[in-house]
Amino acid sequence: DADVTQTPRNRITKTGKRIMLECSQTKGHDRMYWYRQDPGLGLQLIYYSFDVKDINKGEISDGYSVSRQAQAKFSLSLESAIPNQTALYFCATSDSGSGRGPQGWFFGPGTRLTVL
Amino acid sequence: QKEVEQNSGPLSVPEGAIASLNCTYSDRGSQSFFWYRQYSGKSPELIMFIYSNGDKEDGRFTAQLNKASQYVSLLIRDSQPSDSATYLCAVTMNSGYSTLTFGKGTMLLVSP
Repeated sequence: DADVTQTPRNRITKTGKRIMLECSQTKGHDRMYWYRQDPGLGLQLIYYSFDVKDINKGEISDGYSVSRQAQAKFSLSLESAIPNQTALYFCATSDSGSGRGPQGWFFGPGTRLTVL
Repeated sequence: QKEVEQNSGPLSVPEGAIASLNCTYSDRGSQSFFWYRQYSGKSPELIMFIYSNGDKEDGRFTAQLNKASQYVSLLIRDSQPSDSATYLCAVTMNSGYSTLTFGKGTMLLVSP
């Protein structure tokens, strides 16, 4: 089984709908992240969480919210989806205590979201 | 605002040639630098990281860092068609690797 899973993998929705993207990990990592990638662009940080009680905004948090339900689960919500939120969304995890640096980062397979 | 700049490309090289990918960053406080490879529609894959000025080699890959010039590069020797992908430069501000800031990526095309 994959270490970091994202559901759904693909989603098409309409403007104004509420959407939740889910991320689960079996790595036992304490840190989790949501990134967004637009075509031809790098990854932009939306939100991140260093533990269950810690939530931080990233570069582009407007229009998004998150919930860290457990150490292993981190959900991203679009309260009222708009077309310019059409993008590829990646969840990532890392372990603050591993000492492995970037080698300890794991990315999920991505969720392709289309907002019509 | 921290920025990481890369030429979007595409950079086209023939098979067997050296591909040179470049990245500049705006924040002098940046401490660690990474190169990720990303195939279309897939998640990024870490291929190199470097912390100190100079060169770091791993197989066909060499990362070069010049903190005074705020410049980091990736050289790929003996380029193969399978190296065709987008290469993302990323930086982090501290040794805890708390968050990664990515550049927009450079697309590399290696022709047989």
